[in-house]
Amino acid sequence: EDQVTQSPEALRLQEGESSSLNCSYTVSGLRGLFWYRQDPGKGPEFLFTLYSAGEEKEKERLKATLTKKESFLHITAPKPEDSATYLCAVQAAGGYQKVTFGTGTKLQVIP
Amino acid sequence: GAVVSQHPSRVICKSGTSVKIECRSLDFQATTMFWYRQFPKQSLMLMATSNEGSKATYEQGVEKDKFLINHASLTLSTLTVTSAHPEDSSFYICSARVAGLPSEQFFGPGTRLTVL
Repeated sequence: EDQVTQSPEALRLQEGESSSLNCSYTVSGLRGLFWYRQDPGKGPEFLFTLYSAGEEKEKERLKATLTKKESFLHITAPKPEDSATYLCAVQAAGGYQKVTFGTGTKLQVIP
Repeated sequence: GAVVSQHPSRVICKSGTSVKIECRSLDFQATTMFWYRQFPKQSLMLMATSNEGSKATYEQGVEKDKFLINHASLTLSTLTVTSAHPEDSSFYICSARVAGLPSEQFFGPGTRLTVL
């Protein structure tokens, strides 16, 4: 069964203090790995899709990277508005293409 | 970007009543829509996959007679929680996907259901 494990569960950073969030996964053939941002009481907001090991994508202060076993979401010089829960999800190859989500990392950036 | 709306955003109902939640893709046609349920501090749990014009595919453990899904058009899917009970109280989120492999899911804002 596909599994996604995110760490840490929660992360508290000072504004400007860079860090990384981890997403470890096991899947029977990776079709795609997704990163989402979720604010309290709202639906997830799409950030990135990564398809193959070695791939990197950037958006403002965020950069996502992918290896064969894990993905990292690097946050450079975070601001308070980056505070949110970041979700990782994988889509397996195969007929059903179900997406499996991790439980997320709750990030708090303190001014 | 792809925008998905949900209505209502919040609903409070009495035990035993039915509640309908609508999910619409506003600026694209969604061949597939998904319904998720999310409990506090937990991950998104897929309930069912909804394809336009065909019956929904339910995940193991999800009662199809309790959670009725209709995907009547390429822009609208509805989830009806029948005979709701307090344990059905949760945050329900829909998402939509444009045809293509692989492709991202675009999520609605969610519906908070409280059953008294």
